[in-house]
Amino acid sequence: DIVMTQSPDSLAVSLGERATINCKSSQSLLYSSNDKNYLAWFQQRPGQPPKLLIYWASTREPGVPDRFSGSGSGTDFTLTISSLQAGDVAVYYCQQYYTTPYTFGQGTKLEIK
Amino acid sequence: QLQLQESGPGLVKPSETLSLTCSVSGGSISSSPYYWGWIRQPPGKGLEWIGSIHYSGSTYYSPSLKSRVTVSADSSKKQFSLKLSSMTAADTAMYYCVRHGSISWGDYWGQGALVTVSA
Repeated sequence: DIVMTQSPDSLAVSLGERATINCKSSQSLLYSSNDKNYLAWFQQRPGQPPKLLIYWASTREPGVPDRFSGSGSGTDFTLTISSLQAGDVAVYYCQQYYTTPYTFGQGTKLEIK
Repeated sequence: QLQLQESGPGLVKPSETLSLTCSVSGGSISSSPYYWGWIRQPPGKGLEWIGSIHYSGSTYYSPSLKSRVTVSADSSKKQFSLKLSSMTAADTAMYYCVRHGSISWGDYWGQGALVTVSA
């Protein structure tokens, strides 16, 4: 199985500041035939199902604010929230869909400082 | 707008089989090129993929659960289902149904069904 490891486990950021969450996979998620990384980012607010933010490592899902951005390739990926808002308090998960079994990171809890 | 809704018992006894159904509205489950899957999340913990069914009928299961899991679909009813046998307390979780594809993953989720395993 591909192991997904996120860092940090929790993060406190002031409103309006930048938040950065890292995700590392145990093997490359880059599919050579189309040069796409099969990595997604999800936001899960308390009591809610996960919400897709980013797919293919850097493509924003329609309707997701542009303050959310994804970057990285191969085995190292980053989710950046450029200017934190109160509604961004949530747990964030990365997930690989390069191969089954699809696996998730352990989650990063983002709070307001 | 596509919507997914889980249904099933909230309480299951140890050793019994869990049966959950996901009803899809606003679209068809037999439309290419989507998969329909199940994810679970124990209370206070992370997300675990259980298994998925392709619109063609092919199924894919987590190796750790494969011996106990069956995912099936009924396109005429616009439903797909999960059966998980030999339930134990470790299977207590919120169970979500989800749509995924080969481009994006998890663009639509159900609200979840909380399943508790207890005698």
